[in-house]
Amino acid sequence: DVKVTQSSRYLVKRTGEKVFLECVQDMDHENMFWYRQDPGLGLRLIYFSYDVKMKEKGDIPEGYSVSREKKERFSLILESASTNQTSMYLCASSSWTGGASSQETQYFGPGTRLLVL
Amino acid sequence: AQSVTQPDIHITVSEGASLELRCNYSYGATPYLFWYVQSPGQGLQLLLKYFSGDTLVQGIKGFEAEFKRSQSSFNLRKPSVHWSDAAEYFCAVGPPYNNNDMRFGAGTRLTVKP
Repeated sequence: DVKVTQSSRYLVKRTGEKVFLECVQDMDHENMFWYRQDPGLGLRLIYFSYDVKMKEKGDIPEGYSVSREKKERFSLILESASTNQTSMYLCASSSWTGGASSQETQYFGPGTRLLVL
Repeated sequence: AQSVTQPDIHITVSEGASLELRCNYSYGATPYLFWYVQSPGQGLQLLLKYFSGDTLVQGIKGFEAEFKRSQSSFNLRKPSVHWSDAAEYFCAVGPPYNNNDMRFGAGTRLTVKP
């Protein structure tokens, strides 16, 4: 079974704090993703990484950065947390098959619910 | 760009009744289609997916979905709902060539009455 773990299930931080969310996958997947989930909006992609040290912006990267120093680990960083970043954060991973049909199933972690006060 | 619409925000069904959750997508060609389920406080679990071939797809937990190209739909069904099916369900669409461009619907929350 694919396993994607996230370092915290719940976090409470203060405005202006630097926040680190960690994600680890154990299936040697090339791709890793960070989403935020808000009621009525579904999941929105923040950042995506297709290889170590590689990253691409998703739909809502503002206020976030990411780090991928090892293949199995993908970190999301809130440089200066704000109240509008209160949300559920979901990490996912998938394999990369390349070619014309490279869409693969994404496997999700349990999520981190972040509250910024 | 592709998009997904789940018209029903919240559905309530009685235990043992049949279920259909609607999903409509917008995409210029045949996309890859997914249904995920999220139990309270949990991450998303894949129920089933459609890439090509038979348009009726069987998934886990007794769910199935049917791809209808003419209606741009990928509705999820289950013949008899169990109380443990209460959860939020997400439809997702992605182009075949781009793994980082998955679009999720807003979700449908399912309540199961005893």
